[in-house]
Amino acid sequence: EPEVTQTPSHQVTQMGQEVILRCVPISNHLYFYWYRQILGQKVEFLVSFYNNEISEKSEIFDDQFSVERPDGSNFTLKIRSTKLEDSAMYFCARQGQSTDTQYFGPGTRLTVL
Amino acid sequence: GESVGLHLPTLSVQEGDNSIINCAYSNSASDYFIWYKQESGKGPQFIIDIRSNMDKRQGQRVTVLLNKTVKHLSLQIAATQPGDSAVYFCAEKHTGRRALTFGSGTRLQVQP
Repeated sequence: EPEVTQTPSHQVTQMGQEVILRCVPISNHLYFYWYRQILGQKVEFLVSFYNNEISEKSEIFDDQFSVERPDGSNFTLKIRSTKLEDSAMYFCARQGQSTDTQYFGPGTRLTVL
Repeated sequence: GESVGLHLPTLSVQEGDNSIINCAYSNSASDYFIWYKQESGKGPQFIIDIRSNMDKRQGQRVTVLLNKTVKHLSLQIAATQPGDSAVYFCAEKHTGRRALTFGSGTRLQVQP
């Protein structure tokens, strides 16, 4: 059973374009995460989001990236000006307050041409 | 530096056999470890986790062992089934942080 849903499942964009990836938690959780996985490689942490603020981010999460929870429900990852190397699977994960377990969504495949 | 790595990129076993997937970590400050299963085109699926104050934890057909002395983590799958075929990732969390650091994955192939 999906803990979160992600849209779109696949996004194709031209280099330099902005993309917004969406994550919709099914139940009410406080901690959200974005990870990415370049094809054939390991999963890499991007950013964590708690109480409507970024709580932690990696070196990958530079000024081209931003996260929001604009309506208190959807959790978005925006890439302002996509590069070829941004092509990857992007996963949203959620975590409850009293557990360290992170549950991942099905992912969005981003292809930058 | 921080690293979580896997000893074998591919493990092939016969259906019904037990599987052992290994993982090494280097950060002594890690306080939580977790195993995920990832099937092609899907997101990582939680299997089992363990805290650093434990040595062993069992689930349904799966067991995680943690050896803090040598910084080694393993996942044991009993009576491996074809549906277990996937890539398995270990991940760790450092004390005071929430981000998971993933290993590079082991592909498990179950031969019928």
